[in-house]
Formats: sequence, structure tokens, C-alpha cells
Amino acid sequence: GESVGLHLPTLSVQEGDNSIINCAYSNSASDYFIWYKQESGKGPQFIIDIRSNMDKRQGQRVTVLLNKTVKHLSLQIAATQPGDSAVYFCAETPMYSGGGADGLTFGKGTHLIIQP
Amino acid sequence: KAGVTQTPRYLIKTRGQQVTLSCSPISGHRSVSWYQQTPGQGLQFLFEYFSETQRNKGNFPGRFSGRQFSNSRSEMNVSTLELGDSALYLCASSWGGYRVREQYFGPGTRLTVT
Repeated sequence: GESVGLHLPTLSVQEGDNSIINCAYSNSASDYFIWYKQESGKGPQFIIDIRSNMDKRQGQRVTVLLNKTVKHLSLQIAATQPGDSAVYFCAETPMYSGGGADGLTFGKGTHLIIQP
Repeated sequence: KAGVTQTPRYLIKTRGQQVTLSCSPISGHRSVSWYQQTPGQGLQFLFEYFSETQRNKGNFPGRFSGRQFSNSRSEMNVSTLELGDSALYLCASSWGGYRVREQYFGPGTRLTVT
């Protein structure tokens, strides 16, 4: 079946550098995408979302880019801080599902490690 | 305001047994969703309850069930445990919205089946 995946299981970056976490999706019907952050011992935390009618969306120190042509999603974190250390994973769903959890397909995650 | 709480945080069970996990949502939240998280499958949606009624269900066998009480607290039950049920079980609550961006997750219950 179709699934969402991540290119790298682990990403190590220097504190202060920008981080880019990638995600590929294969369901052509997907038109709503979400990024989550999950710190050790905690549940996932919603970071940012984007709909397919947009190519880019910015939040506080985070930017999500969507390339529908190649079915690729990325999360950029500016000026990475120690508190950014976590597992990041993406999720996708067709909006006809209402944006609810039952329509979501989750990626397995990338572990972001911040080097001092 | 207190966040979503889950009890117990860790649990070890034997194959064939059953288990009940508990979730207390954020005060005022009426929707509770349950998820299973494993290294192999990632995060998968189990079911969602709203006002004591199951509103949505994922693709899991009938061994997985849940309920919600009038105070919005929720429990999930897994009967006849299998080794593959070892996972982190997460619950998430929201005011009543169905959309995932409105959900707040608890820390999870780590279930190990031996």
C-alpha cells in the first residue's frame, strides 16, 4: 500500500546551524501534511501543517516546503537549539477524510541530534 | 492547566493476558483518540471517542477496544495479548474537534508483552 517515509533515520547538526528533515509520500490523493516533534518520554507535538494549495508555510523558526511534483515534504528548522533534539515525523492525509486521525498515514521519524 | 495524563506509564504483560490502559484528557476536552506507536509501523490510529461514543476507528482487530466515561476519561483494552502488541500507546485529547492539529498528546504507556 501507499505510505509516507523519511529519507534518513538520524540527522546530526551543529547547534546554531539550520536543519532540514525530509519526507517522501506516495499517495497522490494526499493534500494535507503535518509535521510532529516527539521528545524522549513524551507524546508527539504538532509543529506545523500545510495544504497542497501551498508550496511553503512558515512558523516560528520552522518552515515547511511542499513539492507536489516529486511528492516531497521538508521541515526546515532555523538556528537549531539543544531543545530541538527530538524525533520528527511527518503525516499525510487526503482532506476529503476531514483532516481527522483515521485518514492519516504517519512516517516513522528522523532523530535529530544537536551537537554542541 | 494539566496536560493529558496516561496510566500506567509502563506495563509488562504475558501473551494471552489482557490489559487496560487509562487516559485522562485535558480539562474541558471531550474527544480522546488512541494511537499505537511501534518502531516498525510508526504511529497508527486506533480509535476516537467523543461524548462516550466511538466516533472513528482505525484498522485494528477487535481485540482492541475502548470506552469513554461521562467525565471524558477513556480506557482502552487489549485482550488476548500477542507479542506484536508491544508498543507505546498514546492518547490525545481535543475540545471536540476531529482534526489532528487540535489534539494534545499524553506521554504514553509503554506496553511490553513477553
